[in-house]
Amino acid sequence: QKEVEQNSGPLSVPEGAIASLNCTYSDRGSQSFFWYRQYSGKSPELIMFIYSNGDKEDGRFTAQLNKASQYVSLLIRDSQPSDSATYLCAVKNSGYSTLTFGKGTMLLVSP
Amino acid sequence: DVKVTQSSRYLVKRTGEKVFLECVQDMDHENMFWYRQDPGLGLRLIYFSYDVKMKEKGDIPEGYSVSREKKERFSLILESASTNQTSMYLCASRATDTQYFGPGTRLTVL
Repeated sequence: QKEVEQNSGPLSVPEGAIASLNCTYSDRGSQSFFWYRQYSGKSPELIMFIYSNGDKEDGRFTAQLNKASQYVSLLIRDSQPSDSATYLCAVKNSGYSTLTFGKGTMLLVSP
Repeated sequence: DVKVTQSSRYLVKRTGEKVFLECVQDMDHENMFWYRQDPGLGLRLIYFSYDVKMKEKGDIPEGYSVSREKKERFSLILESASTNQTSMYLCASRATDTQYFGPGTRLTVL
């Protein structure tokens, strides 16, 4: 069974700080990695995807991938209260079109 | 923009009823997915479809079936609803590697 692990949190950070969310995965053959944000009672929305080792930046968000360590992270700079949500890490299963999701990390940004 | 819609946001059914949840996407995607999401268990894949009339079991298919007669529409069927099927049901559609979700249906089975 392919697994994706995330710390459930909550991760609490003050407004303006950097929030760091982490994810590990078991499928060594995985090539595609995704971060979704989910507000309470809403459906997940895609924030970023990353395919290559290293960093990928999009505005205040940076995704980091280390395939050797089977580790993906999401950094949120200048965190805002509106960033308070659950962040889901998802990994594309090798050889399939399906994703395996982590259970999510709840982020709380206090004003 | 990818648009995925689901037939109901909230649904209340009685035990033993047959329940249909419908999902429609407007981007001509081949792959569509049904998940359920429960506190502490995360998102779990029920069924998915590669194309019209094609279906594959996900991780938790028991108690569910699906139908895909047209490319844009993927239906989830609960043949005889049970209280343990009370959950948030999410449909997704896939473009390249990325899955886009509908708004979800919160189903309560009494």
